[in-house]
Amino acid sequence: GQSLEQPSEVTAVEGAIVQINCTYQTSGFYGLSWYQQHDGGAPTFLSYNALDGLEETGRFSSFLSRSDSYGYLLLQELQMKDSASYFCAGVGSARQLTFGSGTQLTVLP
Amino acid sequence: EAQVTQNPRYLITVTGKKLTVTCSQNMNHEYMSWYRQDPGLGLRQIYYSMNVEVTDKGDVPEGYKVSRKEKRNFPLILESPSPNQTSLYFCASRLDRMNTEAFFGQGTRLTVV
Repeated sequence: GQSLEQPSEVTAVEGAIVQINCTYQTSGFYGLSWYQQHDGGAPTFLSYNALDGLEETGRFSSFLSRSDSYGYLLLQELQMKDSASYFCAGVGSARQLTFGSGTQLTVLP
Repeated sequence: EAQVTQNPRYLITVTGKKLTVTCSQNMNHEYMSWYRQDPGLGLRQIYYSMNVEVTDKGDVPEGYKVSRKEKRNFPLILESPSPNQTSLYFCASRLDRMNTEAFFGQGTRLTVV
């Protein structure tokens, strides 16, 4: 199985850069995904890393290091609308998604 | 519009009364799954289905049943709900097992009293 750990809360100010870390332990691992969820709404897909390195999509970037069992989501030029919960999700051997417990990001003005 | 539709959005029921939460997707996706979300625990997978008539247990399947008779529909059945199944439930679909982008429904908030 898989287990993923991420911080429960992160706070940053508008315009800043914030990094949300995710460490994982798994017996079968194919990659790491990130999802955003606003206030109990539907989670939405942000990114997927199958290979080591940085993937950039606009203001958001995601990084994976398989050797360190570690990844992170980097949010740049923070906006108020980025206040949400962010989940890392490991992709397992049957390609199922196992989610971390989520990081609540609060962006302050 | 591509979407995953769950019904109902909110449900309050009593212990032991069988209920079904429906899930339908219009994207011709092969892979569908059910999650429950509880505070501090993230999203935990209940069941998943890689295609029609193929279902498998996730991490927390006890007390739940599913079926996949058609590609678009993946209902979640609680035969005898109990208060510990009070939760926020999400259905999700993916193009196939190799594609990791999941599309989620709007959620069903279930309360069992």
